[in-house]
Parts: sequence; structure tokens; C-alpha cells
Amino acid sequence: EAGVVQSPRYKIIEKKQPVAFWCNPISGHNTLYWYLQNLGQGPELLIRYENEEAVDDSQLPKDRFSAERLKGVDSTLKIQPAELGDSAVYLCASSFRAGSYNEQFFGPGTRLTVL
Amino acid sequence: AQSVTQPDIHITVSEGASLELRCNYSYGATPYLFWYVQSPGQGLQLLLKYFSGDTLVQGIKGFEAEFKRSQSSFNLRKPSVHWSDAAEYFCAVQLDFGNEKLTFGTGTRLTIIP
Repeated sequence: EAGVVQSPRYKIIEKKQPVAFWCNPISGHNTLYWYLQNLGQGPELLIRYENEEAVDDSQLPKDRFSAERLKGVDSTLKIQPAELGDSAVYLCASSFRAGSYNEQFFGPGTRLTVL
Repeated sequence: AQSVTQPDIHITVSEGASLELRCNYSYGATPYLFWYVQSPGQGLQLLLKYFSGDTLVQGIKGFEAEFKRSQSSFNLRKPSVHWSDAAEYFCAVQLDFGNEKLTFGTGTRLTIIP
């Protein structure tokens, strides 16, 4: 079974440029998460989707960050414009919500460097 | 404030030696508790979890963890480490089944020496 796929794995951009990250969750998983992991820190939730609906985006900086999950499968996280402080690893995770504990499976992440 | 604390930023252990990684949480009630491992360039992998019941839980790769309510701790242990255990380890909590948000500690980096 394929795991969570993320691309690109690495991205280097200059500040003020836009950037987008893509995530393909495990087949059949209806819940998708985007996490931000700063260097030396644990991941922090940015947004959670249940199918197409963003059910928790309270930690997403909406002035520059946006996300979408069309058709309830793949998801894209965008930053526009990027700032130096956005340099981090962006992790995507997915789970199958079945009314009980839902193990989250993580992708390898996209490492963003903003120059 | 609610928090998860991993007091050890970096631990070095000899191959074959025992290991204990510490995790403390600060919540009003007992949350659900997890340990994840992150190898370089890899995503996080769940090692084990505690919801209720037996306070000693077994996980994958020979790891176990013990929940101690009186100490608000959930320490990870392994009796004999292997070189492949070198990675970053994260403790995480989830408040309840209705709230799927995971709150992670800052992680402990484990180095294995021959």
C-alpha cells in the first residue's frame, strides 16, 4: 500500500515569491492534515480536512497561507508571498475517520528554504 | 497552559545499551498519549499509543512506554538499542477522540555510538 505522497521534497525560493506544496493521501483516507515543522520543533497543525471541508484551520495564517482539497482527495497548500520565517518542513498526514481513534500516517514532508 | 515537554534535546547511547526517553504533559485530564519516530528525510511513524487500561504499552521495533498518572509522564524505553534506532523521537498528546489535533513535544534526537 502506497503511503502519503508529497511533492516537491525540497523547494528553494526567494522571499516574496509564491510556493505550493502538493499532497496525495493514502487511498480511502477521508481526513487530511497539514503540519508545519520548524527546525528543532515538533509538528504543529495548520489545517485539517474532513473530505473537502476544512474543519480546523484556526492555526493557518490566512493572510498568506491558503489550502484546498478538491474532490476530497489531493490537497495543495500555498504560501503567497513567502517570508524568510516560512523556512520549515511542511508535513502532510492522512487518516480514515471511522468514529474511533484514527491513526495519522505522515508523508516525508516538503523542506522549504526561503532566501 | 497545556503543554508537552521532552526535557532531553539530544541523547547519545551505545549500541546494545538500554534507552529511556522522557515525556511529561500538562493537561487537566489524562490525554491520549503517543510516541512517534522520525528518521532523516522520512515522515513520522507511530511507535505506540496509550488510551487507557494497562499502563505499560508495547509498540513496534521493540519499544515500550509506561504511563504514570502521578508524574504526568509517558516515558519511552527500549532494553537494547540498535544502530538503526538513531532518529528523532516525538511525544504527542490528543485531548480526546472528538478532537483529533495532535500536540507534539519538541523532540529528542537519539544518537547511537558503536
